[in-house]
Amino acid sequence: GAVVSQHPSRVICKSGTSVKIECRSLDFQATTMFWYRQFPKQSLMLMATSNEGSKATYEQGVEKDKFLINHASLTLSTLTVTSAHPEDSSFYICSARNMGSGLPDTQYFGPGTRLTVL
Amino acid sequence: GQNIDQPTEMTATEGAIVQINCTYQTSGFNGLFWYQQHAGEAPTFLSYNVLDGLEEKGRFSSFLSRSKGYSYLLLKELQMKDSASYLCAVRSNYGGATNKLIFGTGTLLAVQP
Repeated sequence: GAVVSQHPSRVICKSGTSVKIECRSLDFQATTMFWYRQFPKQSLMLMATSNEGSKATYEQGVEKDKFLINHASLTLSTLTVTSAHPEDSSFYICSARNMGSGLPDTQYFGPGTRLTVL
Repeated sequence: GQNIDQPTEMTATEGAIVQINCTYQTSGFNGLFWYQQHAGEAPTFLSYNVLDGLEEKGRFSSFLSRSKGYSYLLLKELQMKDSASYLCAVRSNYGGATNKLIFGTGTLLAVQP
C-alpha cells in the first residue's frame, strides 16, 4: 500500500516551453500532496503544499505564477513549470500524505521527474 | 529559523554497524523521520520518532531526544545495498503549516567490502 506515481519520469524541453508533471496516489486518498525540488548532491527543498480543492501554499522564494499547482481530486496533483529555463532543470519529487490505515502521518514519495531544460 | 545538520559523508564496512547522527533546531517540532534515497530515485520511508527513545525495525533503529534536538539512525549488519543517502527530516507545524517536512542535507553512506 501507499504507492505514489509520477509522470513523466524524464522530460527534456526547450527553453520557454511549459512542462506538466503529474503525481498520483494509487491506493489511498491524499487530501494533501507536497512538491519538492532537488538539485544535484543537495537535499529536498519543499516548493509548495497542495491541498485538494483549494489553492496551494508556496514556500518563500517559490514563484507561484511560474510553478502552477492544481490538486483537483483526492488522488491527483499536477505541477506545471511555465516558461521553463535551464536553471529550472532539476529533480522534481512529489509526496502524498497517507492519513489512513493506522500508520503515522507519513509522506510517501513518488519516483521523481528529471527535468532538463535546454 | 529551521536548521538540520547531518554529516555529509560516511564510510563503513560490510557486516559492521554504523550510526548516522542528526541534530536539529526547529520550531513546531512534530516528529522526526529517516528516509533512504538511492541516487536518482525518490526517498523511501525508514523510520519515524515522535517520542523520546529508540524505535527498532529489523536492521534499522532510530533514536530521538527532543530535549537535545538529536536523533540517530543505526544500521546493523551492513550490506552493500545499504550504500545510499540517508535523509533526516523534521516535521513541523510551525505557523499553522500543514505538518511539512524539513529535510537535512543528507548523509551519503558508502559501504565497502
